[in-house]
Amino acid sequence: ELKVEQNPLFLSMQEGKNYTIYCNYSTTSDRLYWYRQDPGKSLESLFVLLSNGAVKQEGRLMASLDTKARLSTLHITAAVHDLSATYFCAVDNNQAGTALIFGKGTTLSVSS
Amino acid sequence: GAVVSQHPSWVICKSGTSVKIECRSLDFQATTMFWYRQFPKQSLMLMATSNEGSKATYEQGVEKDKFLINHASLTLSTLTVTSAHPEDSSFYICSARDPGLAYQETQYFGPGTRLLVL
Repeated sequence: ELKVEQNPLFLSMQEGKNYTIYCNYSTTSDRLYWYRQDPGKSLESLFVLLSNGAVKQEGRLMASLDTKARLSTLHITAAVHDLSATYFCAVDNNQAGTALIFGKGTTLSVSS
Repeated sequence: GAVVSQHPSWVICKSGTSVKIECRSLDFQATTMFWYRQFPKQSLMLMATSNEGSKATYEQGVEKDKFLINHASLTLSTLTVTSAHPEDSSFYICSARDPGLAYQETQYFGPGTRLLVL
């Protein structure tokens, strides 16, 4: 059974600080997804990581994937209040037509 | 980019009634769609996989007779919550894969339907 673990589950940050969210998964997978969810809204796709060593950056967020360690990280640089949201990582099991399995999410709160 | 829509976006119903939620892929054909449920401050939990032209596959613990799924066409899947009770109140989100993007295959999520059962 594919399991996805995120940590931390809650993160309170000061503006301007850096931090990393970790996502571990239990079985082999080549694809890892990061999503953002604002309160009351659905998911917004942030990154799709498709291979070992993949690194993608968008603004203050950077995601990486190590398939050998079964680990992905979402690094936040110089946090700003607008980044406050819940971030989910998700993994599929490499089979076409299968659903994503989500981590529990990391609720990020950025304050000044 | 590919878009998935849901209707309605929110619904309030009385206990014991049935509610139908539609999920549409707007610019691609989806042979497979997925239904998730999300309770407040929790993650998304997969309920079922909806397959066009065949029966849905339900996750363990999800009552197939209570959550009826119909994937009548390549662009439409419906979830009917039958005899809804207050504990069914939740945020229901559907998703679909665009099979035309094999390498960059990703899953598109609908905007969600918030159900409140009184």
